[in-house]
Amino acid sequence: RKEVEQDPGPFNVPEGATVAFNCTYSNSASQSFFWYRQDCRKEPKLLMSVYSSGNEDGRFTAQLNRASQYISLLIRDSKLSDSATYLCVVTGDYKLSFGAGTTVTVRA
Amino acid sequence: DAGVIQSPRHEVTEMGQEVTLRCKPISGHNSLFWYRQTMMRGLELLIYFNNNVPIDDSGMPEDRFSAKMPNASFSTLKIQPSEPRDSAVYFCASSRGQTNEKLFFGSGTQLSVL
Repeated sequence: RKEVEQDPGPFNVPEGATVAFNCTYSNSASQSFFWYRQDCRKEPKLLMSVYSSGNEDGRFTAQLNRASQYISLLIRDSKLSDSATYLCVVTGDYKLSFGAGTTVTVRA
Repeated sequence: DAGVIQSPRHEVTEMGQEVTLRCKPISGHNSLFWYRQTMMRGLELLIYFNNNVPIDDSGMPEDRFSAKMPNASFSTLKIQPSEPRDSAVYFCASSRGQTNEKLFFGSGTQLSVL
């Protein structure tokens, strides 16, 4: 079983829609959680950390469910510029494990 | 501030040749990571350095791959001899602390082995 699993998508949504997707992780001892964004042919960049109580950053909301071992990302009022691949990252000990990514395409 | 700097941006080489990828981490960062990304396998951690010391190289595919970090501002990833299956994007990333810190990635090296 992979350490971090994501639905690859693609999620094709119209502008203004809400889109949400999850990421599951296998190591119950995982300590920190992040969402990174990767644009086509570019490097990944940190989108947001994920805190136990859940957190928002503008139109983006991240949640953590330790009992079921998943994190989620919700994008409200999606923009064309939100089109990207979203990578889930889970840390344990010193190691970061990346999911394969969920592709989101926002259409006009 | 300069980010993580990788060179070259693109490398095309023939099977059997030696390839050296270079990385300059952000000044003050003491952790450095080499990742490889392919469509099939996603982002894979190859090796992790902390304070210039290799901490985990279990992701290095085989003996053909080697990495060094002779000082805090420079690291290399070498493939010798290269094979077509090594074709991928290789990213270097650095962070201030260990893995609970934000990772900053370089722009990557697109390697094509013919």
